[in-house]
Amino acid sequence: DAGVTQSPTHLIKTRGQQVTLRCSPISGHKSVSWYQQVLGQGPQFIFQYYEKEERGRGNFPDRFSARQFPNYSSELNVNALLLGDSALYLCASSSIGGGQTQYFGPGTRLLVL
Amino acid sequence: GDSVTQMEGPVTLSEEAFLTINCTYTATGYPSLFWYVQYPGEGLQLLLKATKADDKGSNKGFEATYRKETTSFHLEKGSVQVSDSAVYFCALTSGANTGNQFYFGTGTSLTVIP
Repeated sequence: DAGVTQSPTHLIKTRGQQVTLRCSPISGHKSVSWYQQVLGQGPQFIFQYYEKEERGRGNFPDRFSARQFPNYSSELNVNALLLGDSALYLCASSSIGGGQTQYFGPGTRLLVL
Repeated sequence: GDSVTQMEGPVTLSEEAFLTINCTYTATGYPSLFWYVQYPGEGLQLLLKATKADDKGSNKGFEATYRKETTSFHLEKGSVQVSDSAVYFCALTSGANTGNQFYFGTGTSLTVIP
């Protein structure tokens, strides 16, 4: 079975631009979460979606938004990019919304210049 | 709030040495505890987990026991290999009440030399 897939793998943007990252969960998984991992740090929670509804939000500004589609895939949008948004963005899926193991994709590495 | 404190790295060991990476946590309720491993340039892979006190998670020779009395979940392996070189993350989730948010430690980099 295919694991969690993310696209693109790498991205270079300039300050002020907008970016959209995509994630497809493991087949049968209805929950998707997004994390930001800055170099040398652990992942920080951004959002969780379950059955197309937002179930949790981390301490990130409103420039960050996400949505989940009927096929359970998800997009993360970041507006007005800052240099500090440069990071590895990880998507994770799980079978239900609460307390279950999350399975991570390979991530999208975003560089903001 | 919920948090994980992880042993600082980096850690360098010779092949076949014993490994311990310390992890302690603070959480409301009854969290599930996890160890994830990240190889260079890759995402996180689940290594092992424990969902209640005194549970022992194990996988690929790694073990960790959920200790509620000491709020710890230390990772151990009796004999490390060069292929174990990676960054290890301790994590917890308190479940549905927190939207299944995972809290991660800062990671411990392990290098195993032949």
